[in-house]
Amino acid sequence: DAGVIQSPRHEVTEMGQEVTLRCKPISGHNSLFWYRQTMMRGLELLIYFNNNVPIDDSGMPEDRFSAKMPNASFSTLKIQPSEPRDSAVYFCASSKPGTGEYGYTFGSGTRLTVV
Amino acid sequence: GQQLNQSPQSMFIQEGEDVSMNCTSSSIFNTWLWYKQDPGEGPVLLIALYKAGELTSNGRLTAQFGITRKDSFLNISASIPSDVGIYFCAGQSVVSNTGKLIFGQGTTLQVKP
Repeated sequence: DAGVIQSPRHEVTEMGQEVTLRCKPISGHNSLFWYRQTMMRGLELLIYFNNNVPIDDSGMPEDRFSAKMPNASFSTLKIQPSEPRDSAVYFCASSKPGTGEYGYTFGSGTRLTVV
Repeated sequence: GQQLNQSPQSMFIQEGEDVSMNCTSSSIFNTWLWYKQDPGEGPVLLIALYKAGELTSNGRLTAQFGITRKDSFLNISASIPSDVGIYFCAGQSVVSNTGKLIFGQGTTLQVKP
């Protein structure tokens, strides 16, 4: 398995632009998580899906952030409009709960810079 | 909400030294996990613990699931330069059935050759 695949690896955009981050979870994993990592706040859970359904989006900073999971093999995290304070590394992770395999598998992340 | 307190926040040690870090929670967990994050990469699972009192080793790494189910520690013996990175503990609360993990704040480890 290729693991969790995120794209792009790096994104530099101007303030006000729309940004879309993409994630392909591991096949067979039915939980998907979006995290944001910064020096100041560490790893923050933004939203997670179980069987493609959003379960908890309480970590989404504000209405500028939205996430979708249209099918079991794809998810997007969108920021519109982007702001400099959104600069961070965004991680996607997937897991297969209910089978004793609780560990997440993380992607390599998308480093977002908003200028 | 549920929180994990991970300590120390950072460590700067000499190559060859042993390292110890720990996590405590305010509630009972049924799973404890330890991850390592290399620079520019996502966290990678090192050790998973599923039973109170469980002691598990992975090479030079040893981790234990505390008897109270509210704590865990990770030891690294004879550290080497490639041990550099951020180590995260994570746990799943007994009340969660969706696989959601709670992460600690991370311990940044630096090893001086």
